[in-house]
Amino acid sequence: DTAVSQTPKYLVTQMGNDKSIKCEQNLGHDTMYWYKQDSKKFLKIMFSYNNKELIINETVPNRFSPKSPDKAHLNLHINSLELGDSAVYFCASSRGDLAKNIQYFGAGTRLSVL
Amino acid sequence: AQTVTQSQPEMSVQEAETVTLSCTYDTSENNYYLFWYKQPPSRQMILVIRQEAYKQQNATENRFSVNFQKAAKSFSLKISDSQLGDTAMYFCALIQGAQKLVFGQGTRLTINP
Repeated sequence: DTAVSQTPKYLVTQMGNDKSIKCEQNLGHDTMYWYKQDSKKFLKIMFSYNNKELIINETVPNRFSPKSPDKAHLNLHINSLELGDSAVYFCASSRGDLAKNIQYFGAGTRLSVL
Repeated sequence: AQTVTQSQPEMSVQEAETVTLSCTYDTSENNYYLFWYKQPPSRQMILVIRQEAYKQQNATENRFSVNFQKAAKSFSLKISDSQLGDTAMYFCALIQGAQKLVFGQGTRLTINP
């Protein structure tokens, strides 16, 4: 069973479109994250939710909107896609404090904006 | 702000050799945690090893060990008896606060047969 699953794995779309990436974890964790990995492999956190509450919101354009319907899901919706949004997006989850608990990552979603 | 720097963009060694990946960091925290993550071609991020800053003893996980030099703010990863399956991107990371990992730029490691 996959612990943190993201769909889709690959997403190719045109500039200006709106798209969503879904993430689900079956580990019973209370904290979920979205990371962006750019073409140079640099990995940076975008958002974090704890018990459906937003706790980390980095400097990310308003076009990106995370939604957590419950503790096991954290979806990422992106409006008006731009070329610079092309990247691999990773979902992750952990049980509370990262200092004491391991963070588990999904396999990533490669988004290509044409 | 906390930063993590990996100065080796790429490294390549022969199978069975030992390789050391470098990482330096900057933080104003007194207690913090450091990590090494592995990202193989499958893209999956996998935790390799973690170190708590208040522990002087270097962490070890089988063939993986760290050299943690707190005063120098250095946290290198040593892979002994390297295997083909060790080929991956390796990321050094530091905890900022309780919920935020700050990653280095990564080192692409290739193990040659």
